Amino acid sequence: SAVISQKPSRDICQRGTSLTIQCQVDSQVTMMFWYRQQPGQSLTLIATANQGSEATYESGFVIDKFPISRPNLTFSTLTVSNMSPEDSSIYLCSVAILTSNEQFFGPGTRLTVL
Amino acid sequence: GIQVEQSPPDLILQEGANSTLRCNFSDSVNNLQWFHQNPWGQLINLFYIPSGTKQNGRLSATTVATERYSLLYISSSQTTDSGVYFCAVFNKFYFGSGTKLNVKP
Repeated sequence: SAVISQKPSRDICQRGTSLTIQCQVDSQVTMMFWYRQQPGQSLTLIATANQGSEATYESGFVIDKFPISRPNLTFSTLTVSNMSPEDSSIYLCSVAILTSNEQFFGPGTRLTVL
Repeated sequence: GIQVEQSPPDLILQEGANSTLRCNFSDSVNNLQWFHQNPWGQLINLFYIPSGTKQNGRLSATTVATERYSLLYISSSQTTDSGVYFCAVFNKFYFGSGTKLNVKP
């Protein structure tokens, strides 16, 4: 398995500002992902974080709004830019471990935008 | 894309009861997982089960890949089992809409 930490665990932000979320995993993993979970909804994949290159975004998500970095095999950041109340969600980092395709999730960042 | 449907959407149980949650998917999958999201939002891995049957304590799961469904069994339910159960297929990262379980004492 993998132990994943996220910072911050929660935040309340003002409209128009940006927030960067950090994800750290305790072992080298093949893939890292970022998901969004809107209130009362299921999870939606935002993007795959690629080490040393641009992230791969899913339909409906763009780099200008959700820039992602992954400088090494164990760390990634997601920025939520120019926030609006519609961005209020839980943002989760997940990883796929080397020995299988099984995914593990971090504790999530609960974001409220006023 | 792959459609992932979970049933029932809501379930209320008395403590000690058994239940079966179902996940149907519309195409062949090479990775299927069950998760429990507790009331604090944490997603807990229950089973990685692209096919076959697995058991872990009071929980067990079966995936019949050829018929495109998976079942999660919860026996002797406890109040700590409350939360939302998600089925997810990772061919392309599709999550079902979840089953919200409430176990009453």
